[in-house]
Amino acid sequence: GPKVLQIPSHQIIDMGQMVTLNCDPVSNHLYFYWYKQILGQQMEFLVNFYNGKVMEKSKLFKDQFSVERPDGSYFTLKIQPTALEDSAVYFCASSFDSAETLYFGSGTRLTVL
Amino acid sequence: AQKVTQTQTSISVVEKTTVTMDCVYETRDSSYFLFWYKQTASGEIVFLIRQDSYKKENATVGHYSLNFQKPKSSIGLIITATQIEDSAVYFCAMRMSNYNVLYFGSGTKLTVEP
Repeated sequence: GPKVLQIPSHQIIDMGQMVTLNCDPVSNHLYFYWYKQILGQQMEFLVNFYNGKVMEKSKLFKDQFSVERPDGSYFTLKIQPTALEDSAVYFCASSFDSAETLYFGSGTRLTVL
Repeated sequence: AQKVTQTQTSISVVEKTTVTMDCVYETRDSSYFLFWYKQTASGEIVFLIRQDSYKKENATVGHYSLNFQKPKSSIGLIITATQIEDSAVYFCAMRMSNYNVLYFGSGTKLTVEP
């Protein structure tokens, strides 16, 4: 199926530092998403993004979080500053339109020390 | 509020048999989409199959099929002729037609043994 690429696969940083998670969505997809999964638990929605704007976000999408896709390059999730509770696997997803199936990347495991 | 519930935390079957995984959902919307994904041991999340609420016929893709019972708000996943490589965690998910957020269940871990 369609491939979404996430870079890096694992990131370890100290609490308070900034981190940027990168996502290369499926080439013709227009909607982009971030989901968070704490070990062994279900995935939870963070944010979706379309046409350069955040469309919807959850309570998990704290003020320290931001997303952007500059000039059609990577879709990024930035956390500044990071907190211990941000440790999780972050999955990027994309879809062609809002009614279509979401395709997920392999995730970035973020460890905040 | 939207909610997706998977009550089976784990299932173990012998290969080449059929397994059914349960999922019930809650929504007030009349139009919605239902999905099943699997998460492999490596963490990869793979889309398997979907059912749109307005379609009466159960979806089928390869050896995956759905048992959609709309009056019961139930969308079971059926895997026939299971293989060792079907071992994974299976997530049910739902999205409303007018709200682009995918709600996931807690997952069912399937182990297929020789």
